[in-house]
Amino acid sequence: QKEVEQDPGPLSVPEGAIVSLNCTYSNSAFQYFMWYRQYSRKGPELLMYTYSSGNKEDGRFTAQVDKSSKYISLFIRDSQPSDSATYLCAMSAGQAGTALIFGKGTTLSVSS
Amino acid sequence: GAVVSQHPSWVICKSGTSVKIECRSLDFQATTMFWYRQFPKQSLMLMATSNEGSKATYEQGVEKDKFLINHASLTLSTLTVTSAHPEDSSFYICSARAGNRVDEKLFFGSGTQLSVL
Repeated sequence: QKEVEQDPGPLSVPEGAIVSLNCTYSNSAFQYFMWYRQYSRKGPELLMYTYSSGNKEDGRFTAQVDKSSKYISLFIRDSQPSDSATYLCAMSAGQAGTALIFGKGTTLSVSS
Repeated sequence: GAVVSQHPSWVICKSGTSVKIECRSLDFQATTMFWYRQFPKQSLMLMATSNEGSKATYEQGVEKDKFLINHASLTLSTLTVTSAHPEDSSFYICSARAGNRVDEKLFFGSGTQLSVL
């Protein structure tokens, strides 16, 4: 079993839809959870950053972490064509200098 | 937010030559930088962790003699792909943590697409 599992999609939705992206993980030591957005042939851009369990909201984006289920989600409300990208979940146990473990990424396409 | 500059953004080279990729943290000091490799439609795979003033730590299966990493200052790390071959063609991305705290966010460069002919 991989440390981080993420459905690669592709996921296609109409403009204005609510999008739900998810990742599961196996390492219970993970404490820091992030969502990155990556456009084709560009570096990932940090979208959301969450420590431990709970919800975090930023504009149209909401990140949820359920450590008991080892499951994290990213919700996008009122999706826009500009949201079309690959979304990568990433997580870390948090020791100093520890790199992130990434999911494979979910490709999202929002049609106008 | 913090800015990480990476260049070149793309490079084409002949098989057997060496290629250097630079990663700079522009507005913060990065004690630790990370180098990732990404194949099409695949996730980012960590290659090595680069610490300023010391040797890099390579992930299992990554040849340290082929992928030379130098972290000479708190704002610059370089990855040199030596004697590149077509199988080294990939998207290479660096990242840096803006600080030493374990909860500091990680920021990424824009990536380098390497094509070896």
